[in-house]
Amino acid sequence: AQSVTQPDIHITVSEGASLELRCNYSYGATPYLFWYVQSPGQGLQLLLKYFSGDTLVQGIKGFEAEFKRSQSSFNLRKPSVHWSDAAEYFCAVVDTNNAGNNRKLIWGLGTSLAVNP
Amino acid sequence: NAGVTQTPKFQVLKTGQSMTLQCAQDMNHNSMYWYRQDPGMGLRLIYYSASEGTTDKGEVPNGYNVSRLNKREFSLRLESAAPSQTSVYFCASSEDMRLAVYNEQFFGPGTRLTVL
Repeated sequence: AQSVTQPDIHITVSEGASLELRCNYSYGATPYLFWYVQSPGQGLQLLLKYFSGDTLVQGIKGFEAEFKRSQSSFNLRKPSVHWSDAAEYFCAVVDTNNAGNNRKLIWGLGTSLAVNP
Repeated sequence: NAGVTQTPKFQVLKTGQSMTLQCAQDMNHNSMYWYRQDPGMGLRLIYYSASEGTTDKGEVPNGYNVSRLNKREFSLRLESAAPSQTSVYFCASSEDMRLAVYNEQFFGPGTRLTVL
């Protein structure tokens, strides 16, 4: 079965520092990958997605992610973190084991990001 | 354009009570979803509706029922609440029926439910 692993449960960075959140997936073919962000008390919002093509994907809020097939990874990065980036970040992959409308997302458990002033 | 709205925002129930969580979207989306979010468990799909008039079970459907009232509304009902159903519930919607899972899902703000 396909799976998504976010190895870091919690990360703390200083404001202005760079950020990398890790995501590993298990899937033989090209996966369909997403990063979502959940700000405190809010629903989830899509940051970016990767289906094919350029392995470096740009998203909203200054985030980017790089797909590395050799490492089965889709890590999220930001060059300079802002205090408002403190949130929970979720990686997800499409479960292609079922057909058509029965395909669903498989979610990682999330990484909680704290930003020190 | 309100996006996805959910009511109520907070609810406390006693074991055995019933309640319905309401969800509505104004984006003319075909597909709608109900998730629950628990610490250490991530997001788990309860039920989904690929299109108006259809509903299907997700990963954790036991103890829940859903109704896709029309294209806009998708409600989740707990017939007899249990403490194990204490969770944060999110409703989401996405645009395309045929390949809905590849599209962005738009989430509501959530309902925080406590069952005593």
